Amino acid sequence: KQEVTQIPAALSVPEGENLVLNCSFTDSAIYNLQWFRQDPGKGLTSLLLIQSSQREQTSGRLNASLDKSSGRSTLYIAASQPGDSATYLCAVITYKYIFGTGTRLKVLA
Amino acid sequence: EAGVTQSPTHLIKTRGQQATLRCSPISGHTSVYWYQQALGLGLQFLLWYDEGEERNRGNFPPRFSGRQFPNYSSELNVNALELEDSALYLCASSLASGTGDTEAFFGQGTRLTVV
Repeated sequence: KQEVTQIPAALSVPEGENLVLNCSFTDSAIYNLQWFRQDPGKGLTSLLLIQSSQREQTSGRLNASLDKSSGRSTLYIAASQPGDSATYLCAVITYKYIFGTGTRLKVLA
Repeated sequence: EAGVTQSPTHLIKTRGQQATLRCSPISGHTSVYWYQQALGLGLQFLLWYDEGEERNRGNFPPRFSGRQFPNYSSELNVNALELEDSALYLCASSLASGTGDTEAFFGQGTRLTVV
């Protein structure tokens, strides 16, 4: 059974720091992996989709990498801002999305 | 182009009642997925519909059911509501049927509160 774990569970940092959020999964038989952010009480906002043939994706201050063989993905956030405060979720994708446990991020002004 | 739309945004029901949640997929998408996010818990896969058929369901009791209509929109029905059914219910749609190599797009969710 696929299990997806995110570390750390919560993170509080001062504005401007570079951050690394980790996602690990137990079964490497996935197609793609996607990172989302979720604001309190809201739906999901897609950040980055990494297809199985890719090793990383970048969008603005965000960079995500994928190593299927080791069952790991990393989301790197550069120069964090208070507006980045949210819960970040990774999901491994087969025929369905299996979500991680989430990292709750708070960026302090 | 419109994204995945869900209605209603909020729904309040009494324990024992039935709730119906609706989802309209992106035009051209044939697969619809339902997920539950209960307070303090992660997002859990509920149901997958494709071409009008239920393809897979998660580990939920039979009182969670649904259907997909010929226009690919979908309903999620929750019967005999219990307090722990209070959650955010998210719908997603995608192009391909269960291959996992295309992106699913998520709606903004329906917040169900059972009192």
